[in-house]
Amino acid sequence: GQNIDQPTEMTATEGAIVQINCTYQTSGFNGLFWYQQHAGEAPTFLSYNVLDGLEEKGRFSSFLSRSKGYSYLLLKELQMKDSASYLCAVSDSNYQLIWGAGTKLIIKP
Amino acid sequence: IAGITQAPTSQILAAGRRMTLRCTQDMRHNAMYWYRQDLGLGLRLIHYSNTAGTTGKGEVPDGYSVSRANTDDFPLTLASAVPSQTSVYFCASSDSEAGRGGNEQFFGPGTRLTVL
Repeated sequence: GQNIDQPTEMTATEGAIVQINCTYQTSGFNGLFWYQQHAGEAPTFLSYNVLDGLEEKGRFSSFLSRSKGYSYLLLKELQMKDSASYLCAVSDSNYQLIWGAGTKLIIKP
Repeated sequence: IAGITQAPTSQILAAGRRMTLRCTQDMRHNAMYWYRQDLGLGLRLIHYSNTAGTTGKGEVPDGYSVSRANTDDFPLTLASAVPSQTSVYFCASSDSEAGRGGNEQFFGPGTRLTVL
């Protein structure tokens, strides 16, 4: 079966760095997406990785290792507005997105 | 309008009733999707459409139907609602299938549906 695993909840301090991990087992791989979802709102796109390595976009970076079935999202200089759920999703062999349950990130002052 | 709109925002429905959730996008995207999101579970694909005139079944299609008569609209119908269909429903669209060329999905604001 297809499976995406990520931690249910994480807590971090304002101004710090946090890494949210995602491991996956899917039938085929056509890229990995990270989305941010604030409570009561729709998911919004953060990043896309299809090749191994690190993609940096401002305070957010995303890493992919296809051989390990592993990705992480790195958030630097955390701000209170970063409190949200972070969703990992993999595009499978049919270009369908398989979603993880999301990691709820709590930022404390 | 800009982006994706969904209607209604929320709805309480009696079991056995028929209900259509509306979704409209103005980005001329080819692909559209319906997901449900339940606490503790990831987004689950109900139905999708890669282009106007075509539809496909996702992971949890039972009890739901869709149509794609044109590019902009993708309504989701519950023929006879049951309490297990209580959920938040998100419509999404993308230029082409997810991951093809890195095309991201854009989401509507969601419809919160309660079936009693």
